[in-house]
Amino acid sequence: GQSLEQPSEVTAVEGAIVQINCTYQTSGFYGLSWYQQHDGGAPTFLSYNALDGLEETGRFSSFLSRSDSYGYLLLQELQMKDSASYFCAVRDRGTTDSWGKLQFGAGTQVVVTP
Amino acid sequence: DAGITQSPRHKVTETGTPVTLRCHQTENHRYMYWYRQDPGHGLRLIHYSYGVKDTDKGEVSDGYSVSRSKTEDFLLTLESATSSQTSVYFCAISGTGEGNEQFFGPGTRLTVL
Repeated sequence: GQSLEQPSEVTAVEGAIVQINCTYQTSGFYGLSWYQQHDGGAPTFLSYNALDGLEETGRFSSFLSRSDSYGYLLLQELQMKDSASYFCAVRDRGTTDSWGKLQFGAGTQVVVTP
Repeated sequence: DAGITQSPRHKVTETGTPVTLRCHQTENHRYMYWYRQDPGHGLRLIHYSYGVKDTDKGEVSDGYSVSRSKTEDFLLTLESATSSQTSVYFCAISGTGEGNEQFFGPGTRLTVL
């Protein structure tokens, strides 16, 4: 089985930096993904890490340490539009037929204040 | 945006009635998924499909069945709806790329009275 843990809520002011941690337990591991979801909307893909290290995409960065079963999403120069829920998800090594299965964490609500 | 639609977008039904939700894609992606989303639980996989007529269960499959007779359509059926199945249902699609990026439909809000 798999489990993922992430904080339920983080609050920060505009312009600040927020780090959302995700720890996971899995019987097999392919990679860690991050998704963003605004209230009333659908989740959208942000990033994917299969190897250890930091991946940067604009103001957002994602980090993975496979030895620690840990990753984080870093949101820099926070803007009001970054207020949303952020989900980490692990891809299960599994069998060929489970190539595409993801398990999601419960999500972190990021609240950006003026 | 990935071409993925869900219908209906909202539905209210009564306990004990069957309900079918439809997911339609125009991307020709191999994989399709049904999730439910409830407060405090994130997204939980109900069923997924890895090809036409090839489906498998997810973590919360009890009370649900699926069918995929064409690449573009993936149907989710609640055989006898219960109030515990009140939720927002998302369909998603993905290819076989390394990142397994999943594209989500707009969601269906289902209320079972």
